[in-house]
Amino acid sequence: KNQVEQSPQSLIILEGKNCTLQCNYTVSPFSNLRWYKQDTGRGPVSLTIMTFSENTKSNGRYTATLDADTKQSSLHITASQLSDSASYICVVSASYNTDKLIFGTGTRLQVFP
Amino acid sequence: NAGVTQTPKFQVLKTGQSMTLQCAQDMNHNSMYWYRQDPGMGLRLIYYSASEGTTDKGEVPNGYNVSRLNKREFSLRLESAAPSQTSVYFCASSEETGLDYGYTFGSGTRLTVV
Repeated sequence: KNQVEQSPQSLIILEGKNCTLQCNYTVSPFSNLRWYKQDTGRGPVSLTIMTFSENTKSNGRYTATLDADTKQSSLHITASQLSDSASYICVVSASYNTDKLIFGTGTRLQVFP
Repeated sequence: NAGVTQTPKFQVLKTGQSMTLQCAQDMNHNSMYWYRQDPGMGLRLIYYSASEGTTDKGEVPNGYNVSRLNKREFSLRLESAAPSQTSVYFCASSEETGLDYGYTFGSGTRLTVV
């Protein structure tokens, strides 16, 4: 069964600290992996999209890594800011159908001053 | 640069009532989607439209209908609302349905069915 699991479910950190969010997937055949940021009461906003051949991709203070062999991805946030408080959703695409975007349940990050 | 606009933002319905959720995008995207987001679950695809004039079922289409009115607009209709349809609904669009295209999401419609 195609699944995307994220950990931790929630995380609290102090402003200025770094953190890493994890995503494990069992989706096959794999096409790409995306990370989205979802602020409370808003829709998801794309952070990165990585294909099979990409190991790492950055977007400002956000750096995503992908290990297609172990089917794991991580999202590292550097020097966190209060505005980073949000849910971060890992999404994996299967390579045979447009409607096969499998969404994780997200990690809820709270950054405190 | 509005992106994807959804209306209404909030709605309360009684069981059995009908309503239509509206979605419009101004990015000239060909493909549009409707998702629902429930607590403890990932977003699930209800219906999608690969291009103007076409619609297809997603993972959870039962109880819903859609209309791709034109290239900009994609509406979702609940003919007879049920409490199980209480959810947050997101509309999204992308240039094409190819899997490497990024999605732009609207801000969502929070629907409660009592």
